[in-house]
Amino acid sequence: KAGVTQTPRYLIKTRGQQVTLSCSPISGHRSVSWYQQTPGQGLQFLFEYFSETQRNKGNFPGRFSGRQFSNSRSEMNVSTLELGDSALYLCASSLVTRSDEQYFGPGTRLTVT
Amino acid sequence: ELKVEQNPLFLSMQEGKNYTIYCNYSTTSDRLYWYRQDPGKSLESLFVLLSNGAVKQEGRLMASLDTKARLSTLHITAAVHDLSATYFCGPGGGNALTFGSGTRLQVQP
Repeated sequence: KAGVTQTPRYLIKTRGQQVTLSCSPISGHRSVSWYQQTPGQGLQFLFEYFSETQRNKGNFPGRFSGRQFSNSRSEMNVSTLELGDSALYLCASSLVTRSDEQYFGPGTRLTVT
Repeated sequence: ELKVEQNPLFLSMQEGKNYTIYCNYSTTSDRLYWYRQDPGKSLESLFVLLSNGAVKQEGRLMASLDTKARLSTLHITAAVHDLSATYFCGPGGGNALTFGSGTRLQVQP
C-alpha cells in the first residue's frame, strides 16, 4: 500500500508570495490533516478535511487555507507569505477521523526569504 | 483545551541504560499515540494505545496508558544509539488529537 505523498518536498519563496502544497493520502483514507512544525512552536495542527469539508481548524490566521477533492487529495495554500511561515508542513491521513491512527507524509520544507 | 506535557523535553542517556518518558494530558481521552521522528524526517507511528491499562512493546520500547491518571509512559530498556530521535505523544478521541512538545532522546555510546 502506497504511503502518504506530499509535493513538492522543498520550496523556497519570497515574502508576500503565495504557495500551494499538495497531499495524497493513503488509498481508502478519507481524513487528511495538516500540521506545521517549527523549532520554536513544535508541531501545531492547522486543519482537517473529511469528505471535501473542513472539519476542524487550528489557531492559524486566515492566510492559511486548504481544500480537499473528491478523491481525498488535499491542498493547502498560504497567501502573503511571512518569514515566520518557514516550516516543515506535514500532511497526515487517517481512515475516518483525526483521532484514528494517523500516517504522516514526508513533509514539505518551506523556506520564506 | 487539551494540553499535553511531556517530560523530559531532552534526554541524554548512555547505551545500555533504562529510562522512562512521561506524557501527561489535561482532559479525558480514550486513546493515546506515540510517534517517533528522526531529524529532518516525518513522524512514524510507534504505538496506538486504545484502552486504560493498555501496554504495548516493540523491541526495547514499551508504552503504557493510564486513562484515569491521564498518563502514558514510554519506557526504554537497554538503550541503543539507533533509538536516538524525538518522541511525541498525542492523546486522541472524538475529533481531537494534540501533540506534546516532544522528547529529544540522545543515546551516547
